[in-house]
Amino acid sequence: QKEVEQDPGPLSVPEGAIVSLNCTYSNSAFQYFMWYRQYSRKGPELLMYTYSSGNKEDGRFTAQVDKSSKYISLFIRDSQPSDSATYLCAMSYTNAGKSTFGDGTTLTVKP
Amino acid sequence: EAQVTQNPRYLITVTGKKLTVTCSQNMNHEYMSWYRQDPGLGLRQIYYSMNVEVTDKGDVPEGYKVSRKEKRNFPLILESPSPNQTSLYFCASNPTAMNTEAFFGQGTRLTVV
Repeated sequence: QKEVEQDPGPLSVPEGAIVSLNCTYSNSAFQYFMWYRQYSRKGPELLMYTYSSGNKEDGRFTAQVDKSSKYISLFIRDSQPSDSATYLCAMSYTNAGKSTFGDGTTLTVKP
Repeated sequence: EAQVTQNPRYLITVTGKKLTVTCSQNMNHEYMSWYRQDPGLGLRQIYYSMNVEVTDKGDVPEGYKVSRKEKRNFPLILESPSPNQTSLYFCASNPTAMNTEAFFGQGTRLTVV
């Protein structure tokens, strides 16, 4: 079993929809939770990260972490065609220098 | 402009022929990593470095070597490439040990025939 499991997708939504992207994990030592966006033929770019449980909002994006359920989510409000990309969740723990990534969910937002 | 630069972007080589993929960052980050990305297997960490001359294995280090002689450079070395190392490789640098703000390069697509 993988340490980090991500909803595989692909996901296709109409412009303006609310999108929910999800990951579960098994290692309770993870404390930092990241979301990256990867456009085709590009390297991943960081969207946001959170520490421990709770919510974090940045514009149209909200990251949510529930450590008791070992479940994290990324919500995208008012989705745009420019949000079409693969979204990767990633997790790490203190001072390890290591990260574990999910396999990614490919999102298409149709105009 | 803050960036991580990898070279080459594309490489086709033959089994057993040693190769090096270079990685350079201009952000003075202490932490750097190499990943490979494969369909269905996601992004997996190969090696990481916490500072000059300090490196450690990631999840899939077999068949790879790294060195960190200067803070800005972190080359990935394949001494004897094999077809199962055909993949998309990414270098990343990070200002923190928690790996929370990784900056990725553009990727190197390697094919070993």
